[in-house]
Amino acid sequence: LAKTTQPISMDSYEGQEVNITCSHNNIATNDYITWYQQFPSQGPRFIIQGYKTKVTNEVASLFIPADRKSSTLSLPRVSLSDTAVYYCLVGDISNDYKLSFGAGTTVTVRA
Amino acid sequence: GAGVSQTPSNKVTEKGKYVELRCDPISGHTALYWYRQSLGQGPEFLIYFQGTGAADDSGLPNDRFFAVRPEGSVSTLKIQRTERGDSAVYLCASSWGTSGDLDTQYFGPGTRLTVL
Repeated sequence: LAKTTQPISMDSYEGQEVNITCSHNNIATNDYITWYQQFPSQGPRFIIQGYKTKVTNEVASLFIPADRKSSTLSLPRVSLSDTAVYYCLVGDISNDYKLSFGAGTTVTVRA
Repeated sequence: GAGVSQTPSNKVTEKGKYVELRCDPISGHTALYWYRQSLGQGPEFLIYFQGTGAADDSGLPNDRFFAVRPEGSVSTLKIQRTERGDSAVYLCASSWGTSGDLDTQYFGPGTRLTVL
């Protein structure tokens, strides 16, 4: 499993864009990049997944440069309810069911 | 629609007691996973079921931990002779279990176990 490094915490204000960068220097060819979100007293929730370039859904965007050694999760116009822990995971999702979570990034959105 | 449910939501027990934690996966999901999350950490894999069988139990910390899924749906995580170090949130997840595909895991809210 590729090791990931992401900031421990980030602060933001309502309406701002939040970008969380995750480093994964030893990502393998078959590895995908997946982000999960976890609110207090809840289990993690899948946000977005990608392999290369850019992926966008109704919640977030994921930017992956050509070398795939890092990725950036972008949360547009955050609100107080986006306060959560965000986890970056890297692995061969097609045959690697053991999700490997690090400590994640605690994002705090203030009014 | 119904997601993954776990009962109880909280369990307080005394050191040395036996506990059972239950997970009801999303209907139709053949794969089921248990994770354990300590305070301030991300979830750690414990065991994976494909149908009724435990396909991978390499994450179980020791033989006090055991899990079953007798009918391929509901699963029970069993912990014998509980220790204070077992205190954590136990998370269950399920997925369609499709191999060779991106198989998203859906998590339940967890059971917070406190061993006094």
